[in-house]
Amino acid sequence: NAGVTQTPKFRILKIGQSMTLQCTQDMNHNYMYWYRQDPGMGLKLIYYSVGAGITDKGEVPNGYNVSRSTTEDFPLRLELAAPSQTSVYFCASNSGGDYEQYFGPGTRLTVT
Amino acid sequence: GQQLNQSPQSMFIQEGEDVSMNCTSSSIFNTWLWYKQDPGEGPVLLIALYKAGELTSNGRLTAQFGITRKDSFLNISASIPSDVGIYFCAGQLTDGGSQGNLIFGKGTKLSVKP
Repeated sequence: NAGVTQTPKFRILKIGQSMTLQCTQDMNHNYMYWYRQDPGMGLKLIYYSVGAGITDKGEVPNGYNVSRSTTEDFPLRLELAAPSQTSVYFCASNSGGDYEQYFGPGTRLTVT
Repeated sequence: GQQLNQSPQSMFIQEGEDVSMNCTSSSIFNTWLWYKQDPGEGPVLLIALYKAGELTSNGRLTAQFGITRKDSFLNISASIPSDVGIYFCAGQLTDGGSQGNLIFGKGTKLSVKP
């Protein structure tokens, strides 16, 4: 199993551009999550999904969108990128809401 | 939003020393998890705790779920250079409506003493 994979690893965006961060897991997990991590801070939940076709907002959803058309994939969309979205983004998954989450290697995004 | 207070924020270790860190909250948690993050990597799960009072070990690591369900600690015995990194605690609230969502502490950064 590859676990949770994320692409790209690094990206630089100009203000106002858009992009999609990809996340795929091969563990047949129902639950998937997107977090952002800012320097010196813990992880903040952006969006999560409890299964294909179901998504919900986390603590910091503004400026982001998600979709979950398959169990394996959970892409995160940034529209109109802003400098405040400069961060490291992590995708995670687990098999149920009360089980441990497993993280991908992250995408480092810079918006200038 | 909910907060976890993790301390210390950073610490320096010498090889062979024991290390202790903890997380506290004003809220009650169902689950406590401890993760380690190496530079440029995602967090990796170290220990998961599910019951108040539970004491669990993973090699040189030992973690406990506090009796009040509002705190947890992680100990590392006989530290080695590869223990360097950032350690995060994470808790799952008891409210049942969070769909398994975790609240993360801000991390404890472990570095080697110069």
